[in-house]
Amino acid sequence: SAVISQKPSRDICQRGTSLTIQCQVDSQVTMMFWYRQQPGQSLTLIATANQGSEATYESGFVIDKFPISRPNLTFSTLTVSNMSPEDSSIYLCSVVDYSTEAFFGQGTRLTVV
Amino acid sequence: EDKVVQSPLSLVVHEGDTVTLNCSYEVTNFRSLLWYKQEKKAPTFLFMLTSSGIEKKSGRLSSILDKKELFSILNITATQTGDSAVYLCAVEENTGNQFYFGTGTSLTVIP
Repeated sequence: SAVISQKPSRDICQRGTSLTIQCQVDSQVTMMFWYRQQPGQSLTLIATANQGSEATYESGFVIDKFPISRPNLTFSTLTVSNMSPEDSSIYLCSVVDYSTEAFFGQGTRLTVV
Repeated sequence: EDKVVQSPLSLVVHEGDTVTLNCSYEVTNFRSLLWYKQEKKAPTFLFMLTSSGIEKKSGRLSSILDKKELFSILNITATQTGDSAVYLCAVEENTGNQFYFGTGTSLTVIP
């Protein structure tokens, strides 16, 4: 199994600023994903973080707004740029390991004021 | 330590069978429990449960929560091959609005 450490667990940010969320895994994993979760709704996939190359974004999400880094097989960051209140959400990191099981971080609760 | 435990880890059934998936949790400041179906990348939301004893139903799927015994079950009746997926249970914690996910139950439905 994989243990995920996601930081920060929560933050309150001013509109127009940026926040970088970190996802650290205790083992090498094949795939890492970033999701957004609105309360009581489906998880929405933002992008797949690719090691050593640009992330693959889902429809409706762009690199300028959500730049992602993945410098190695155990670490990734998601930045929420130029934030607005509509970006208030829970952001989740997920990984798939070599056994193809999926694991989730505890999430980052972002409030933009 | 907060945790969410799902059982069984995997299950293989034949079409038409009924399955019951289990999710037990030890989370302080419980807010809600959510069930998801994961087939490829993004899990699909199934149910959100907040109150004990009230069954939620959608087609062949149903779910119920027991906040006293700290568990939930997801039932799928008359299973079909399209039900093959990993079913994830997550508990939302109230204080920090954080989520704790189980590792899922892998369901395979054989024709």
